[in-house]
Formats: sequence, C-alpha cells, structure tokens
Amino acid sequence: QIQLVQSGPELKKPGESVKISCKASGYTFTDYAMHWVKQAPGKGLKWMGWINTYTGKPTYADDFKGRFVFSLEASASTANLQISNLKNEDTATYFCARVGQGYWGQGVMVTVSS
Amino acid sequence: DVVMTQTPVSLSLAIGQPASISCKSSQSLLGTSGKTFLNWILQRPGQSPKRLIYQVSKLYSEVPDRFSGSGSETEFTLKISRVEAEDLGVYYCWQGTHFPYTFGAGTKLELK
Repeated sequence: QIQLVQSGPELKKPGESVKISCKASGYTFTDYAMHWVKQAPGKGLKWMGWINTYTGKPTYADDFKGRFVFSLEASASTANLQISNLKNEDTATYFCARVGQGYWGQGVMVTVSS
Repeated sequence: DVVMTQTPVSLSLAIGQPASISCKSSQSLLGTSGKTFLNWILQRPGQSPKRLIYQVSKLYSEVPDRFSGSGSETEFTLKISRVEAEDLGVYYCWQGTHFPYTFGAGTKLELK
C-alpha cells in the first residue's frame, strides 16, 4: 500500500537548521509530485509548495521562499524539507503529501525554542 | 491568492444527525482543463489529514457513502447524511486549481 513515512520530531534553537525527510513506498516515486504543508499548533493548514519528483524542480509559495529548501533522494524514494535560520514561528507540524491523490505523511513536529 | 471561506466554524451534532459544511472560494475553481479541483479532507484529533472527496463530488474508494460533495465555480458543500462517532474532527476544503493551493480555515465537528 502507498505510504509516506516521515522522520521523527525535532527540537531546535533559533538560528539552527533542520532537515526532515519523507520516505515514499508502494508506488513509483518519480510519477507523482510531493507537496509540503505546514500546520502551526492549533492552527489550520498552509501549503508551502511542491517538488517535481521527476526533474527535482521545486516551487515555493511566497511565504516559504528563502529559508526553505525542498530536495530529493530519488534513489531512496525520499523527499526532504530543510529549514535554515529557524525562527520561533517555524514551530509547527510539517506534512509531506501527494495532495492530488490524498496521501499524507504522519507529520513531523518541529519545535523551535531557546 | 484564492481565499477559501468555510462555514460554520464548528458543529455540534448527535449521532445520526445530518451535517452540512459550506466552502466558498474568492474566485472560480473551474480550471482550464474543465475540471474543478475542490477537495475535502478530515483531520481527526492528533492525526494527519485523511482524504474524503476530490473534484467537488468524487469520493475516494474507502470513504463511506454517507459523505457527499456538491457545488460549482465558487460555492461548495460537504454533507454527511448521518453523523457517526468516527466523523468527529476538523474538516477542511482546499483548492488545487490555482497556485498557491489554499485551504479553508476548517470546520470542527463535535459530538453532542
């Protein structure tokens, strides 16, 4: 069955970086785009952008340009999200998702605190 | 950006009652392909979102047929014919017609 399994929770200090992963299984990884969605504590969902898993080309929503990087390890069927220069407002759960087909990872809680 | 407005913010219903959630978009979600990419998902407490409906009214295979979706252009509705305990959580509509994709603020379904 199709699964998106994400890495574990992260606790970071402001200014640090974090890289979270999303391992796909049950389908051909390069056939479907991977999207990233942010959910701040107690808040709704915000689309961050997507990465073309065939070409590796990322597209970022305006609020996620600059410190956010989508990347791939296609040989490992894995998509990554790296956030640099972390800020308190980056505290959130980050989901990877094949949104067009309705498959979501379990989410990764990233906590930024001094 | 397309603004998705969901009402009501919350619903408190007893088991067996019907439910209706409205979702309105700030611009038409009819795409150049002729398809309307309006979708519904459910996020149960402490879980990741689960798929319910895509392209306005198409149910995913595992979704019970007590769920239905309707609408066009800018006005859409999710209905549950008879609420069950497993239906509690937050329902989101979201659009995938225009970049950036955008979500409604959610409707919380609680059991009375």
